[in-house]
Amino acid sequence: GAVVSQHPSRVICKSGTSVKIECRSLDFQATTMFWYRQFPKKSLMLMATSNEGSKATYEQGVEKDKFLINHASLTLSTLTVTSAHPEDSSFYICSARGSWDEQYFGPGTRLTVT
Amino acid sequence: SQQGEEDPQALSIQEGENATMNCSYKTSINNLQWYRQNSGRGLVHLILIRSNEREKHSGRLRVTLDTSKKSSSLLITASRAADTASYFCATTSGTYKYIFGTGTRLKVLA
Repeated sequence: GAVVSQHPSRVICKSGTSVKIECRSLDFQATTMFWYRQFPKKSLMLMATSNEGSKATYEQGVEKDKFLINHASLTLSTLTVTSAHPEDSSFYICSARGSWDEQYFGPGTRLTVT
Repeated sequence: SQQGEEDPQALSIQEGENATMNCSYKTSINNLQWYRQNSGRGLVHLILIRSNEREKHSGRLRVTLDTSKKSSSLLITASRAADTASYFCATTSGTYKYIFGTGTRLKVLA
């Protein structure tokens, strides 16, 4: 089956620094990837749609300059949280769109900003 | 918000009992999917039901869909401790974006 990986699985960073999270589709090409954010005991909220070779589409209320998304290849999308603050601490999950509009989810990245 | 609602928010049952959780959504859909998430982990796809289907089975899982009521239910029969997790429904409608429900936290007591 289709596999999506995320790296790192956990990251702790200091307030004010930036952190990059990678999302890779391992055995298929994905022109579209999605980034979600999940707070403890809450549901997944779509942050943005990442399109290979073009700008990401952000959901309402998501700061583009805060959450930089780059989809440089058909197998890799990155999310960079810039000038991170404690309120950015969360669980970030990516997914990759398959051939039939299904989505394959990564295992998630736990970000803690101190 | 377009987010779907799930109920109950939390459910605690004994091993061997059945667990039923419900999902309601707001717009017409192409399909509805159910996912399981263990604490701090990624999502595991359980089952997909299309808008023209009314019921689907997969092992101990039974999903129903009532498009007139904009609702779906997930039944887990003969529950096991390993079924302890959060369960989410996700809908697609018109676009390939997923809209997730609020989730049900299921705890199965051994």
